[in-house]
Amino acid sequence: AQKITQTQPGMFVQEKEAVTLDCTYDTSDQSYGLFWYKQPSSGEMIFLIYQGSYDEQNATEGRYSLNFQKARKSANLVISASQLGDSAMYFCAMSSNNAGNMLTFGGGTRLMVKP
Amino acid sequence: GAGVSQSPSNKVTEKGKDVELRCDPISGHTALYWYRQSLGQGLEFLIYFQGNSAPDKSGLPSDRFSAERTGGSVSTLTIQRTQQEDSAVYLCASSLRGAGTMNTEAFFGQGTRLTVV
Repeated sequence: AQKITQTQPGMFVQEKEAVTLDCTYDTSDQSYGLFWYKQPSSGEMIFLIYQGSYDEQNATEGRYSLNFQKARKSANLVISASQLGDSAMYFCAMSSNNAGNMLTFGGGTRLMVKP
Repeated sequence: GAGVSQSPSNKVTEKGKDVELRCDPISGHTALYWYRQSLGQGLEFLIYFQGNSAPDKSGLPSDRFSAERTGGSVSTLTIQRTQQEDSAVYLCASSLRGAGTMNTEAFFGQGTRLTVV
């Protein structure tokens, strides 16, 4: 079984500062993928970034980067230079072949950016 | 279409009625997922299709829930004898293949907001 844990129900960050959203995962599989999604108040789920378990470098996509620490089984999302539009729910997710490619989500973190 | 399309976007139904929720995935995507999201909560996995088959149906909450996919494309989630606790947003997602390997992110539809009164 695979499990995703997001321990921060809510986070505040000052505009233009960086923020880290925590994600830890549990799996017995060696090959898996980790994803982050953003869900603004409008409800749509927006894909942000992906990290494969065999990727040696941390993934980056614009202001988003994934701090992947395989030994600790953590995949924290770092958002640099926060903007007001970053206020949303953020979900960490994972999937693996041995779990039937099911995409499992964490409980989410609500990020609020203060002007 | 360009993205995942779900219909209806909103559905209000009386307790005890049956409802059908439809999902049109992105053309060519073999994997299709259904999730349920209650207000302010995370995503609860319901079912996953690879092609027309569902390797994992363990997430369906009860035997009132069923889903099918035909032609490797459109999927329908059916809820029979709806209950008030079924009220939620039902999200559908598709990906080019199973999300287990490679960068195969899942693309989500806008969801169907189901309200059982």
